Amino acid sequence: EAQVTQNPRYLITVTGKKLTVTCSQNMNHEYMSWYRQDPGLGLRQIYYSMNVEVTDKGDVPEGYKVSRKEKRNFPLILESPSPNQTSLYFCASSLAVYNEQFFGPGTRLTVL
Amino acid sequence: DAKTTQPNSMESNEEEPVHLPCNHSTISGTDYIHWYRQLPSQGPEYVIHGLTSNVNNRMASLAIAEDRKSSTLILHRATLRDAAVYYCILREGFGNEKLTFGTGTRLTIIP
Repeated sequence: EAQVTQNPRYLITVTGKKLTVTCSQNMNHEYMSWYRQDPGLGLRQIYYSMNVEVTDKGDVPEGYKVSRKEKRNFPLILESPSPNQTSLYFCASSLAVYNEQFFGPGTRLTVL
Repeated sequence: DAKTTQPNSMESNEEEPVHLPCNHSTISGTDYIHWYRQLPSQGPEYVIHGLTSNVNNRMASLAIAEDRKSSTLILHRATLRDAAVYYCILREGFGNEKLTFGTGTRLTIIP
């Protein structure tokens, strides 16, 4: 089944404890992206990747890192999480930037 | 950045057509108009997209104004499953691969 998977689905952590949210797609898509969703603010793009080893900032990249070493994986790294990064995170992929995006199920992160 | 404006919420009766408007007065000539929707507790899902001509697929129709400054997503016969937040998004032209979602329109379907 074609899908985007994210792990973990739920995470509660404390300020400053490094964490990684994984994202994987099995559709051989070139474009991958991370979003955060907050009440009243809609979806905001954090980082995106056009292809392996090609990443760029979205609208809200501060406090996040990403890497794209393999085509299928696009992990989101929070080196020193803070409470303002408490949010619902979505990973998405598409064949190319102009194509339909497929979204993962979301990761709900709480930083205490 | 090209931006879109949508009503915060709309209601419609079940089994009736729904017209969801979107204004994008600063759209550029190469921007595609995309629509996504987000059902409760799920990630967004693609609905439809277009450039200049009206588009139809199994989920919906997209009507694009002649000047491209506005568009309308049409659900021909709303069901309870269509209750969701609908996002109108502009793919911001060549050389800029960012995708900017707005706050969308929350559609409520009345049985």
